Amino acid sequence: EVQLVESGGGLVQPGGSLRLSCAASGFTFSSYNMNWVRQAPGKGLEWISYISYTSGTIYYADSVKGRFTISRDNDRNSLYLQMNNLRAEDTAVYYCARDALVVVGASHFDKWGQGTRVTVSS
Amino acid sequence: DIQMTQSPSSLSASVGDRVTITCQASQDISNYLNWYQQKPGKAPKLLIYDVSTLETGVPSRFSGSGSGTHFTFIISSLQPEDIATYYCQQYHNLPTFGQGTKLEIK
Repeated sequence: EVQLVESGGGLVQPGGSLRLSCAASGFTFSSYNMNWVRQAPGKGLEWISYISYTSGTIYYADSVKGRFTISRDNDRNSLYLQMNNLRAEDTAVYYCARDALVVVGASHFDKWGQGTRVTVSS
Repeated sequence: DIQMTQSPSSLSASVGDRVTITCQASQDISNYLNWYQQKPGKAPKLLIYDVSTLETGVPSRFSGSGSGTHFTFIISSLQPEDIATYYCQQYHNLPTFGQGTKLEIK
């Protein structure tokens, strides 16, 4: 069974940093492109970052570019999101999501984790 | 960025009703359009990709159509378990989602 399990969320002060992790199992992680998608409280979904299976191609939404860094460790079957200079508007549930297509570029997200909550507040 | 506009934002319907949700893209996105279902407190679930292809295991009462800038999502006969928020998502450029349509039972 495909499983994606996020961790690392919590309460952080504005300007602070947090590193999210997503542990993958039940599929060949190294063959899939991956994404981070977030959802602010009571709001809709916002795609924020993509990484290809080789880490050779990375994309960010403008809202996080320069502050967030996506990475992966295929040996550890893990996806990461390093979040720096956090703002109140980064408060959200963060989901990792598997990209269904193996071609480069985000497409449709066929498997999702349960999410990890990040709260940015003083 | 490509803007995705869903309508309506909320919808109340009865069990057995036909439900239609539309999604308008701010520019031509060809057929790079997906639909997701999200139930309260849960992660989104992929229902339809590439406009009209049902994800494995998704009931056939769900369908999608459209091309270019205008897309439609239909539930042919609403079931109680379909109560959720539905999102469209384009991937012609970097992915963007519609604002969501919250579906409630009348």
